[in-house]
Amino acid sequence: AQSVTQLDSQVPVFEEAPVELRCNYSSSVSVYLFWYVQYPNQGLQLLLKYLSGSTLVKGINGFEAEFNKSQTSFHLRKPSVHISDTAEYFCAVSDQKGSQGNLIFGKGTKLSVKP
Amino acid sequence: EAQVTQNPRYLITVTGKKLTVTCSQNMNHEYMSWYRQDPGLGLRQIYYSMNVEVTDKGDVPEGYKVSRKEKRNFPLILESPSPNQTSLYFCASSQDRSSYNEQFFGPGTRLTVL
Repeated sequence: AQSVTQLDSQVPVFEEAPVELRCNYSSSVSVYLFWYVQYPNQGLQLLLKYLSGSTLVKGINGFEAEFNKSQTSFHLRKPSVHISDTAEYFCAVSDQKGSQGNLIFGKGTKLSVKP
Repeated sequence: EAQVTQNPRYLITVTGKKLTVTCSQNMNHEYMSWYRQDPGLGLRQIYYSMNVEVTDKGDVPEGYKVSRKEKRNFPLILESPSPNQTSLYFCASSQDRSSYNEQFFGPGTRLTVL
C-alpha cells in the first residue's frame, strides 16, 4: 500500500517570493509521482509528473519538482509566485505495476499568494 | 474541446432520496473513475471502470453504485443517500488503466444530503 503526506496544510506567501510545497510518500513498491493543482471551484489538473530519468521535473506555469528516492520526497517549487497561483495543490502516487489505475492523494496544501 | 463534464454541479437532497450524478468524457478514454473529496482527507477513489461493462470498487465504495454501458458515460448512483455522503465528487478519465497516465478531472459536483 502507498501513502502520501503533505507536510503543510496551508502555505501563505507574498507575491514574487519563492515557494516550496513538501510531499513525502511511503510505498513498498515502485511508484510514479504526480502533482495536481485545483483552482477555486474547478477540477484538478496535472502540473507535472515523474516517471523515470532525470529527478528534476519541470511542469506548467513555472513549477518544478525534484524526486529524491532516498528521502522518498517529491517537493514542488516555484522561484517566484503570482497571485494566480493561489490554489490547492495535491501530491499523488500510483503503483507502477498496479492494476487499479488509481492515484493515492495527499490531503492537499492550500497556497495563498498575497500582494 | 477535450473535457470531462459532470451534472449537476450542485445538488441538495434529503436522506433516502435516490440520485444520479452523470459523468461524460469526449476523449474516447477507456478508464474512468469517481473520487470524493473531503476537507483534510484529500481525494479518495469510490469506483473505477477499465472499459465498457467492467467496473470495480475503489477505496470507499459503500453506499454507491456505478454503471458503464457506454464508453463515454460513467454515472454515479446513490440509491439511499445519507448525510455522511455530503461531499465534493469528481469524475476522472484517462486513456487506459496504466498508472503513468494523466487523469483528466471534471469540474466537480457538490452534494449536500440533509
